[in-house]
Amino acid sequence: DVKVTQSSRYLVKRTGEKVFLECVQDMDHENMFWYRQDPGLGLRLIYFSYDVKMKEKGDIPEGYSVSREKKERFSLILESASTNQTSMYLCASSPPDGTYNEQFFGPGTRLTVL
Amino acid sequence: SQQGEEDPQALSIQEGENATMNCSYKTSINNLQWYRQNSGRGLVHLILIRSNEREKHSGRLRVTLDTSKKSSSLLITASRAADTASYFCATSDYKYIFGTGTRLKVLA
Repeated sequence: DVKVTQSSRYLVKRTGEKVFLECVQDMDHENMFWYRQDPGLGLRLIYFSYDVKMKEKGDIPEGYSVSREKKERFSLILESASTNQTSMYLCASSPPDGTYNEQFFGPGTRLTVL
Repeated sequence: SQQGEEDPQALSIQEGENATMNCSYKTSINNLQWYRQNSGRGLVHLILIRSNEREKHSGRLRVTLDTSKKSSSLLITASRAADTASYFCATSDYKYIFGTGTRLKVLA
């Protein structure tokens, strides 16, 4: 079975801190995605990556950056956390021809920024 | 607004009844997918229907797609308490776009 893991289920940080959210997949998928999920807004795409060292902005990249140094790992970075970044963060991966295939999701990280 | 918009936002039914959820979208798509999310967890893929397909079945799930109306429906037959979850449609052209979801509650 495909497994996508995220480094933390719950995380509490203070305003201004630099935050790293890690995502690892074990199925050699080329494509990886970061979403945030907020009530009433559904899932919104932050960044995605189609290959190592490649990244593309999604719909709401402001305040975030990403890193993909290895194929299996995709990191989301909040350079200076703010309270409006309190949210559920979901990582996903998919095989090549990404949008023709299903996405496999991790369990999510619920981030609270105080 | 979201590319995929589910309707209704919330649905409550008795165990054994059928549940129908609808999804509307705005632009052309390669395929449309449905996902389930149990409370506070990640999403699980249920079914994918391609733009040249009209209907697809998987177990108790039936999905229809009407590209002329830019809409899809998900039918869950003989619902169970374990079906209680949020259901999302996701459309894709060059990236996935998720709707806001339908919260389904199945009462035992």
